[in-house]
Amino acid sequence: GAVVSQHPSWVICKSGTSVKIECRSLDFQATTMFWYRQFPKQSLMLMATSNEGSKATYEQGVEKDKFLINHASLTLSTLTVTSAHPEDSSFYICSAESSGGFLDEQFFGPGTRLTVL
Amino acid sequence: AQSVTQLDSHVSVSEGTPVLLRCNYSSSYSPSLFWYVQHPNKGLQLLLKYTSAATLVKGINGFEAEFKKSETSFHLTKPSAHMSDAAEYFCVGGYGQNFVFGPGTRLSVLP
Repeated sequence: GAVVSQHPSWVICKSGTSVKIECRSLDFQATTMFWYRQFPKQSLMLMATSNEGSKATYEQGVEKDKFLINHASLTLSTLTVTSAHPEDSSFYICSAESSGGFLDEQFFGPGTRLTVL
Repeated sequence: AQSVTQLDSHVSVSEGTPVLLRCNYSSSYSPSLFWYVQHPNKGLQLLLKYTSAATLVKGINGFEAEFKKSETSFHLTKPSAHMSDAAEYFCVGGYGQNFVFGPGTRLSVLP
């Protein structure tokens, strides 16, 4: 149980285009989902926290207009990288917190590798 | 401020020898603590978690960790390393909804 999927697993796009990444909780309801980015050989950095039906909370230094997050249902959150540039190339990982599950535990998706040319 | 420190950025062991990956946390209270493993270009897999029950926590693949409040530590150990253990390991502190990641330790296993 507690499986989180991400789609796509990897994407290559041209500079200036927008890319949408989906994060789904497959077998549980997630009231809260988290988006992280990970640069090569570095740790994960939290970008934003999204709660179903409300606006996402962004970490300091993360541009909310560039990284649009939508959490429209209890099983789906999307991250849209708008007007992507090469410096946005990174590994994006989402996680979900079960609304009825164990406190303080997040279930992580497999990640999405974004390469902006 | 809440922080998680992993003292070694890289640990190298021979196959069959013990593994020790160190983790210290900084907090005014004891957080939930987790160890995750990440293989290249893969997501995170939970190895084990501490949630104020038993101080010695057993996880998957033979890993275990001991919570020591007096030392604010949560070191990860395994008696005998296997080649498949080579990966990046993250110690994570859970403070409510806030997950604080350590910088990671890369484990290499030599044949």
